[in-house]
Amino acid sequence: AQSVTQPDIHITVSEGASLELRCNYSYGATPYLFWYVQSPGQGLQLLLKYFSGDTLVQGIKGFEAEFKRSQSSFNLRKPSVHWSDAAEYFCAVAPRGAGSYQLTFGKGTKLSVIP
Amino acid sequence: NAGVTQTPKFQVLKTGQSMTLQCAQDMNHEYMSWYRQDPGMGLRLIHYSVGAGITDQGEVPNGYNVSRSTTEDFPLRLLSAAPSQTSVYFCASSYSNGPQETQYFGPGTRLLVL
Repeated sequence: AQSVTQPDIHITVSEGASLELRCNYSYGATPYLFWYVQSPGQGLQLLLKYFSGDTLVQGIKGFEAEFKRSQSSFNLRKPSVHWSDAAEYFCAVAPRGAGSYQLTFGKGTKLSVIP
Repeated sequence: NAGVTQTPKFQVLKTGQSMTLQCAQDMNHEYMSWYRQDPGMGLRLIHYSVGAGITDQGEVPNGYNVSRSTTEDFPLRLLSAAPSQTSVYFCASSYSNGPQETQYFGPGTRLLVL
């Protein structure tokens, strides 16, 4: 069965510092890959997604993610974190040929930002 | 467009009661899904639909029923609520399953089962 692992439950960074959130997946074939953000008490917002092609994907709010097939990873990065980035971040996968209606999520990484 | 709407926002049930969580979208999206979110568990797929009249089970379907009689609506039914179904429920919709797709999540329904 497919699974998504986000090894870090909680990360704290200083405002202006760089950020990397880790995501590893276990899947029979390369799935579609997604990162979502959830602010407290809110629904989910899609940051970026990877279907095929260029393995470095640009998203909204200055985020990017890199797909590494050899490591089964899809890590999220941001060069300079803003206080408003404090939220919970979820990595997710979907079967190739299906779509985001059939997502398997990781358990999330909560990001705290120190002013 | 109102996007994806969910009602109610919050509900308290007693064990054994039934209820329906409503989900509607006005974007003519073909695909709709229900997820539940529990602390430390992320979101887990309950049921999904790829079009009117077509539904399928996700990872955690037990205790839930769905139907899709129209493109717009995708209600989730709890037949006999249990405390283990205390959770936040999210409905989502999308219009395709390829690289151009965009998925929209509703604001969620918080359910407490006593």
